[in-house]
Amino acid sequence: DTGVSQDPRHKITKRGQNVTFRCDPISEHNRLYWYRQTLGQGPEFLTYFQNEAQLEKSRLLSDRFSAERPKGSFSTLEIQRTEQGDSAMYLCASSTEPGSGTEAFFGQGTRLTVV
Amino acid sequence: QKEVEQNSGPLSVPEGAIASLNCTYSDRGSQSFFWYRQYSGKSPELIMFIYSNGDKEDGRFTAQLNKASQYVSLLIRDSQPSDSATYLCAVKSTTSGTYKYIFGTGTRLKVLA
Repeated sequence: DTGVSQDPRHKITKRGQNVTFRCDPISEHNRLYWYRQTLGQGPEFLTYFQNEAQLEKSRLLSDRFSAERPKGSFSTLEIQRTEQGDSAMYLCASSTEPGSGTEAFFGQGTRLTVV
Repeated sequence: QKEVEQNSGPLSVPEGAIASLNCTYSDRGSQSFFWYRQYSGKSPELIMFIYSNGDKEDGRFTAQLNKASQYVSLLIRDSQPSDSATYLCAVKSTTSGTYKYIFGTGTRLKVLA
């Protein structure tokens, strides 16, 4: 296992379309996080899972956003009716909790452009 | 007050100098502290973590934590042009049962050859 994998790496979509991103965490990691990052800002928390349970969602996450982790392995993040303000880098990270460490490792990110 | 604050920079240092990056946080319940390096257009890469007060060294990097002052810093010795990047400070708190990582906006470091 070489790390957290995200797909696609880039996505260009028209406003109003739905998009779905996938994240495959490091295999033994039971926690999975989604973040969003815009230019000049730090990653902004969206949601996280422990195994298949979604434990927290940011209040900034509108009802157009939904995330799942059905079998406690990979996760998907869907954005419905995309808006130009959704353009950002979507980052997935995973960690093992509890465990020997609590460090989170990021995937390469999915860059979304809404036109 | 932001939960994690960093000076956005840019911080410019000459090659071979020590770069000092600082971060303050507001939640006294914070327990774990992380430094990530992010090159332009890339995702964050973990370079250091620290859990206890004091210093932690790893190669050219030293993380320093002072929980009483709610302050964490990263020193980069013998700075190289390849160290030019944005450095993100992240804090993890288990207050109220949340386990999310909270990031600052990052400090942009420029190492001048």
